[in-house]
Amino acid sequence: DTGVSQDPRHKITKRGQNVTFRCDPISEHNRLYWYRQTLGQGPEFLTYFQNEAQLEKSRLLSDRFSAERPKGSFSTLEIQRTEQGDSAMYLCASSLRVGLGHNEQFFGPGTRLTVL
Amino acid sequence: AQKITQTQPGMFVQEKEAVTLDCTYDTSDPSYGLFWYKQPSSGEMIFLIYQGSYDQQNATEGRYSLNFQKARKSANLVISASQLGDSAMYFCAMREDRDNYGQNFVFGPGTRLSVLP
Repeated sequence: DTGVSQDPRHKITKRGQNVTFRCDPISEHNRLYWYRQTLGQGPEFLTYFQNEAQLEKSRLLSDRFSAERPKGSFSTLEIQRTEQGDSAMYLCASSLRVGLGHNEQFFGPGTRLTVL
Repeated sequence: AQKITQTQPGMFVQEKEAVTLDCTYDTSDPSYGLFWYKQPSSGEMIFLIYQGSYDQQNATEGRYSLNFQKARKSANLVISASQLGDSAMYFCAMREDRDNYGQNFVFGPGTRLSVLP
């Protein structure tokens, strides 16, 4: 399978615990994006990387959230001191930037986080 | 203010008929892109069609076409010859291009399309 993969697919944690999610993009894609989606809503943009550089961060990405893409390949999203409001589906997407093309984003299956 | 507005929370269409899903957007950036994604009940996001702000012609991809009216800031999705498998949530999204490779992505609240046999 050469699509975007995310791990784990489901995570249940207790309030106050830290969690980390991993995203493996399509191998030749240089851009990687993180989104959060709650039930019945559209995805909310969190952050994106071009190679290893984090180029944009949403104000939604509070100081409890941090994302890395150390070698320009896989990325991790960590949430510290989780709160019940963090319960959501966390989506990762990747794209290949070629000039000013449309940079179609390919999405992974998501990680569903439940904070008890 | 909402950057992407989808005024139809739910839509019904008869199989084999055409349907239009509305999307209006708000941006002051001259360079931007508009996307439509489909999200079936299984949860995956599927890219359907793209329209760039400088594109002169409306985008088409198979049964999907995008009715782009730049002055009105609308980017409606038209699905022709609806199929039962088209039943899903449909999201309109916008990419705003900033200097130095900065980008912002915004998704609308979605429209749930139900295709009736």
